[in-house]
Amino acid sequence: KQEVTQIPAALSVPEGENLVLNCSFTDSAIYNLQWFRQDPGKGLTSLLLIQSSQREQTSGRLNASLDKSSGRSTLYIAASQPGDSATYLCAVDDGNNRLAFGKGNQVVVIP
Amino acid sequence: GAGVSQTPSNKVTEKGKYVELRCDPISGHTALYWYRQSLGQGPEFLIYFQGTGAADDSGLPNDRFFAVRPEGSVSTLKIQRTERGDSAVYLCASSSLTSDRGLINISYEQYFGPGTRLTVT
Repeated sequence: KQEVTQIPAALSVPEGENLVLNCSFTDSAIYNLQWFRQDPGKGLTSLLLIQSSQREQTSGRLNASLDKSSGRSTLYIAASQPGDSATYLCAVDDGNNRLAFGKGNQVVVIP
Repeated sequence: GAGVSQTPSNKVTEKGKYVELRCDPISGHTALYWYRQSLGQGPEFLIYFQGTGAADDSGLPNDRFFAVRPEGSVSTLKIQRTERGDSAVYLCASSSLTSDRGLINISYEQYFGPGTRLTVT
């Protein structure tokens, strides 16, 4: 069974600093990895999807890398803003058309 | 275009009652998923539909849970004899399965609705 771990569980950073969020998974035979954002009491917003054949994806200030062999993905958010405060979830698809999620990184950006 | 919608947004019910949760996927998406998210946890997979049929229901916790998608669009998650442990946010997602030509991988993005918060008292 795929296990997804996100470290740290929670972090606070001053506005303007870069954010680095880590995700690890136990089974490297994945089809893709997806990063989501979740605001309190809300659903999930998809940020980036990395296919297993890719090593990274970029969208604006966001960059996600994927190292399948070591079972890791990292989400970088450049020049953080208070509006980036949210929980970030990593999810892995192992080819069975269902996502296995981590518990999330809860981020607070301090103005 | 419109995203995934779910109704109701909140549902409070008494222990032992029956509830139905509805999901309207993005138009044209053939795949539909139900997940459940407990407080402080990531979402957990419940069931996946491809068209009208349940392709994988291995995540349903027990036989009190059932889901249908009779016309391959809207889906309803049904919970019988609700228990307090069923309290959670129920999330629905949809996707359009695509394949990269020339590659063996199938990649797609799941789009989530806002969820239904179920509270069993």
